[in-house]
Amino acid sequence: KNQVEQSPQSLIILEGKNCTLQCNYTVSPFSNLRWYKQDTGRGPVSLTIMTFSENTKSNGRYTATLDADTKQSSLHITASQLSDSASYICVVNSGAGSYQLTFGKGTKLSVIP
Amino acid sequence: GAGVSQSPRYKVAKRGQDVALRCDPISGHVSLFWYQQALGQGPEFLTYFQNEAQLDKSGLPSDRFFAERPEGSVSTLKIQRTQQEDSAVYLCASSSGLARFNTQYFGPGTRLTVL
Repeated sequence: KNQVEQSPQSLIILEGKNCTLQCNYTVSPFSNLRWYKQDTGRGPVSLTIMTFSENTKSNGRYTATLDADTKQSSLHITASQLSDSASYICVVNSGAGSYQLTFGKGTKLSVIP
Repeated sequence: GAGVSQSPRYKVAKRGQDVALRCDPISGHVSLFWYQQALGQGPEFLTYFQNEAQLDKSGLPSDRFFAERPEGSVSTLKIQRTQQEDSAVYLCASSSGLARFNTQYFGPGTRLTVL
């Protein structure tokens, strides 16, 4: 069964600090990997999309990495802000014409002053 | 509107009632998805439309769940004879063009509570 595992489940950091969130997946075949940010009570918002040929992609203070060989991805947040407090969800598309996405359970990030 | 909208935002139903959840995708978006998100979990795929055609309904948990998009724009997810396990947030997302590579834009969701 296709699975996406994220760690840690939750994380608390001080404002201004950096953090890295992890994602491991067993989805096969693989087409692309996405990171979403979901604020409480809102729908997820796309941060990055990476195909198997891309190993890093940035979106402002967010940088995602992908190692398609080890099936791992990370999301690095630089100089965190209070508004970064949200759940970050790793999502994998299995490709081969599939449009189904497999979502991880997310990492709940809390940035405190 | 500029984004995906869903209505109602909150719905409370008594067990056994039928409910209908509406999704207005971004204008012109070909692809539309429905997801179910239980508390503390990631969204789970329910069904996918390309224009008015329902190309995949493999994620619908039972035959009590039915979705339609008759004119290729607005979509409705209907749940018949609701059960307590149907309580969740139902998210709708739309994307332009082929769904495999395009960003999905999510609505705010409808929180369904079945008593």
